[in-house]
Amino acid sequence: KAGVTQTPRYLIKTRGQQVTLSCSPISGHRSVSWYQQTPGQGLQFLFEYFSETQRNKGNFPGRFSGRQFSNSRSEMNVSTLELGDSALYLCASSTPGQGLYGYTFGSGTRLTVV
Amino acid sequence: SQQGEEDPQALSIQEGENATMNCSYKTSINNLQWYRQNSGRGLVHLILIRSNEREKHSGRLRVTLDTSKKSSSLLITASRAADTASYFCATDSGGSNYKLTFGKGTLLTVNP
Repeated sequence: KAGVTQTPRYLIKTRGQQVTLSCSPISGHRSVSWYQQTPGQGLQFLFEYFSETQRNKGNFPGRFSGRQFSNSRSEMNVSTLELGDSALYLCASSTPGQGLYGYTFGSGTRLTVV
Repeated sequence: SQQGEEDPQALSIQEGENATMNCSYKTSINNLQWYRQNSGRGLVHLILIRSNEREKHSGRLRVTLDTSKKSSSLLITASRAADTASYFCATDSGGSNYKLTFGKGTLLTVNP
């Protein structure tokens, strides 16, 4: 079974630009979550999607958005990039009943804003 | 916001020794999970313990949960150099939250 695939692995962007990150969940997993990891703030929840619907959103500005497609693949977008957006962005997928089995994470996209 | 706080922040031991990491959290939970992260890569799910469970084992891992103290511990027995990684606890409040709230992690170094 293929794992969670995140693309690209690394990204360098300039302040003010926008970026789109992609996540393909494990086949059959319909829930996709996104997390931001920084040295200062640690791992923080961005949002969660299930069947193309956002069910929860973390405490991030509106510049952070996401969506999920009918095949459960998800994208997140960050507009008007700031230096502080430099982070490792992690995607996780899970099945219903995730409370029993935990989440499967991808390897992440490391975004550097210069 | 951080729900869990791991203790210690860093732990250095010799191969063969046991490693114990602790986690405290603030609100009621549906379950608590432990994850491992190697060198800034993705998180690997290690073990999940539900709020009505007190102890769980998986291979060399033993997790305990004390909901009255809002705390959990992860014990890795007979550590190996390959166990060197950061370990995070994460709480799932259940209901309609659909998210994990992570602690800051413990950096474990196992010296050969």
